[in-house]
Parts: sequence; structure tokens; C-alpha cells
Amino acid sequence: GQQVMQIPQYQHVQEGEDFTTYCNSSTTLSNIQWYKQRPGGHPVFLIQLVKSGEVKKQKRLTFQFGEAKKNSSLHITATQTTDVGTYFCAQFPYTGTASKLTFGTGTRLQVTL
Amino acid sequence: DAGVIQSPRHEVTEMGQEVTLRCKPISGHDYLFWYRQTMMRGLELLIYFNNNVPIDDSGMPEDRFSAKMPNASFSTLKIQPSEPRDSAVYFCASSLLRVGSPLHFGNGTRLTVT
Repeated sequence: GQQVMQIPQYQHVQEGEDFTTYCNSSTTLSNIQWYKQRPGGHPVFLIQLVKSGEVKKQKRLTFQFGEAKKNSSLHITATQTTDVGTYFCAQFPYTGTASKLTFGTGTRLQVTL
Repeated sequence: DAGVIQSPRHEVTEMGQEVTLRCKPISGHDYLFWYRQTMMRGLELLIYFNNNVPIDDSGMPEDRFSAKMPNASFSTLKIQPSEPRDSAVYFCASSLLRVGSPLHFGNGTRLTVT
């Protein structure tokens, strides 16, 4: 079946340091979405990437879709304590039911002062 | 926009009891999803509906689980009989009818089966 791996599983940074999480798929993707879940909360949509090699920015967050559309990354510049949470990629496969969204394993980010 | 509404927020029950989780999607959304989240398995898709019709229930763990969507504004997920391994947070999410639409999640129901 489709595998959605995210690395690392957990990262602890000091406030101000950068952070990157990677999402890798065993199959080519039609598009990819990123979500953030705060502790005790629910996943909240951040962004969607569709095109090969696409790069999008949201303030300190930079999202990238791989050229082969099999991987993606989320980079946070100068982390803040408000960035704490778990970041999930979620993907639609090229084949199969178009709306079946599969979530990655998630990367939990801890930021301390 | 009230968002996706789930009830109850917390449910504690004894093994063998029936549990019913409820969800009201965002008005106008055509898709409704039920996810289960645990530390071990992460976010698992259980079942999803399109225009109230179940499309894919391959993620439903076993016959003890059933889901219905009698109309566009209400869905239930039922577990009968419940077991301790069903303890998890259950999320309902809804989205619009187009590929790539973001999912809007409810606050979830934290289920504990003792």
C-alpha cells in the first residue's frame, strides 16, 4: 500500500533556530497538503502544493514539492514557541479515488526558550 | 461559520458498551471523513462519504464499527461492542467537492474504553 513517511518523528529546537520536516512517498502524487496540529487540538490546513518543483511561502514557513512529485518539505525559519505542534503532510495519490487523503506519520516540534 | 461540530468531546465507557460519536459538517461541504488518531497508528482514515453516500470504508477496523450519514448535515460513527483498543481520538472532517480541497476538522472526540 501507499507509504507516507515523515522525518524526523520528533525535533526539539531552541527558539530562533530553523526547523525542517520531510515527507516522502513511495508513489507519485497528484498534490500534497500540509497540516498543523497543536497539542490537544485538531489538524488545521496550512497549504497545498500541486506543481512539480513548486515552492510556496507563508511568513516564516517555506513549503516545497519535489521535482518528481514524490517528496515535499516544510521549513520554518527562526522558530517561535507558537510553532509548537505536530506537522503532517497529506497526500492524494495519482491513481485510485481522488478524494482519499492519506496523512503522513507527522513530525512533532518542540520549541523552548 | 461554526465549523465542523463533534459530540461528545470526551467519552468514557466500559468494554462491551455501545458508543456513538456524532458529527455535523460545515454546511455546503460534499465530503465527510472519519479519522482515528492514536500514538501508535497516527491519523487513520476510517471511512468517507460523498453526498451522504459511503465511498470507501476500507479503513473501518472490523464489523464492530459502522458509520451512517442520513442527511447532509449529520453523521454518526458507532462502535458496538467497544473494546479497550478502540481508545483513541476520533476526528470528523468535511470538505468541498473538488480534488485537493482542504479538510476542515472538528475538535474530535476522545474515547476511553476501560
